[in-house]
Amino acid sequence: DVVMTQSPLSLPVTLGQPASISCRSSQSLAYSGGNLYFNWFQQRPGQSPRRLIYKVSNRESGVPDRFSGSGSGTDFTLKISRVEAEDVGVYYCMQGTHWPWTFGQGTKVEIK
Amino acid sequence: EEQLVESGGGLVQPGGSLRLSCAASGFPFSMYWMSWVRQDPGRGLEWVANMNPDGSQKSYMDSVKGRFTISRDNAKNSMYLQMDSLRVEDTAVYYCAESQGSPWGQGTLVTVSS
Repeated sequence: DVVMTQSPLSLPVTLGQPASISCRSSQSLAYSGGNLYFNWFQQRPGQSPRRLIYKVSNRESGVPDRFSGSGSGTDFTLKISRVEAEDVGVYYCMQGTHWPWTFGQGTKVEIK
Repeated sequence: EEQLVESGGGLVQPGGSLRLSCAASGFPFSMYWMSWVRQDPGRGLEWVANMNPDGSQKSYMDSVKGRFTISRDNAKNSMYLQMDSLRVEDTAVYYCAESQGSPWGQGTLVTVSS
């Protein structure tokens, strides 16, 4: 199975400051035809996961533009330009190229 | 609004069976690959099973092969997960989701314990 490794696992952030989460896959996620099925999810306390970013860098409808995704091959990054209180939760990366799809361990974002 | 609603979770003894259901609305369900995903505090998020739009292609994670069966009824906008020979380690919140992760349901808790 493809192993997804996130860092850091805990991320205390000051309100209004930027935050960055990295995710590395154990093999390339590039797919024939050019698609790269890599997504970021947010899980707020007591809620289901919610997809924020799909195919590396595409924001879901309704997701604030302070969230951005980038990367290629095996290395990916989620950035929050200015953290707000509602961003508290656990963030997961996920690959949907090689079955079984797999998630990272999660990064807990909290306010300092 | 796209919505998925799971039902059917509960407490079952090891070796027992449960059937989970997922009702979809607000999007063209019959056109989408669909999945079951589970979440346990110890093992995190795991993608359990995956199925194509007409139900002819199915994939399972290794630990549930031969025990779990994914199915769908497009006429009812519904998907199912038949879980047999349940083990303690199958205890988790089970979510239905579109196969690339949007939308997700609210989850249903399955507890396997004697």
